[in-house]
Amino acid sequence: RKEVEQDPGPFNVPEGATVAFNCTYSNSASQSFFWYRQDCRKEPKLLMSVYSSGNEDGRFTAQLNRASQYISLLIRDSKLSDSATYLCVVKNYGQNFVFGPGTRLSVLP
Amino acid sequence: NAGVMQNPRHLVRRRGQEARLRCSPMKGHSHVYWYRQLPEEGLKFMVYLQKENIIDESGMPKERFSAEFPKEGPSILRIQQVVRGDSAAYFCASSGDRASYNEQFFGPGTRLTVL
Repeated sequence: RKEVEQDPGPFNVPEGATVAFNCTYSNSASQSFFWYRQDCRKEPKLLMSVYSSGNEDGRFTAQLNRASQYISLLIRDSKLSDSATYLCVVKNYGQNFVFGPGTRLSVLP
Repeated sequence: NAGVMQNPRHLVRRRGQEARLRCSPMKGHSHVYWYRQLPEEGLKFMVYLQKENIIDESGMPKERFSAEFPKEGPSILRIQQVVRGDSAAYFCASSGDRASYNEQFFGPGTRLTVL
């Protein structure tokens, strides 16, 4: 089993749709959690950190459930520019960052 | 405040040559990570270094690949005797004090093509 798993995708949604990505992690001692996005042939860029109480940044909402070892990302009112691969990332104390395989999103006009 | 810098951005080598990829972390960051991404695939962790020390190299191939992060200067990922299968994008990332909640910041990557 991979340490970080994500919805396999791809997700193809129309503009304006709401889309949710799921991620699970296997290490119960994991301490920090992030969502990154990666555009084609570009470097990953931090989208948002994920806090235990959940957090929102504009159209993006991230949730963390430590008991279930589950992280989610919700995108409301999808835009064409949201098309990218979304990476779930987990950081374990004293160790490196573990990236999920990513879920590709295509927002269609 | 410059971000993570990598050079060269594109590198072409013939089979059997050496490739040297450089990464300068963000100012104040002492942790450097190298990742490889093959076309249409996800990021694969290679190595994690902190100034002059290799912390985790569990993702590094056993042969031909090495990495360093000297006290002065950039981190270097070195690939000896390159083969076609080494063609990929190599990303470097840096982070601050790992005891705190610090995300990674990525450089633009070096795209290695082996002819």
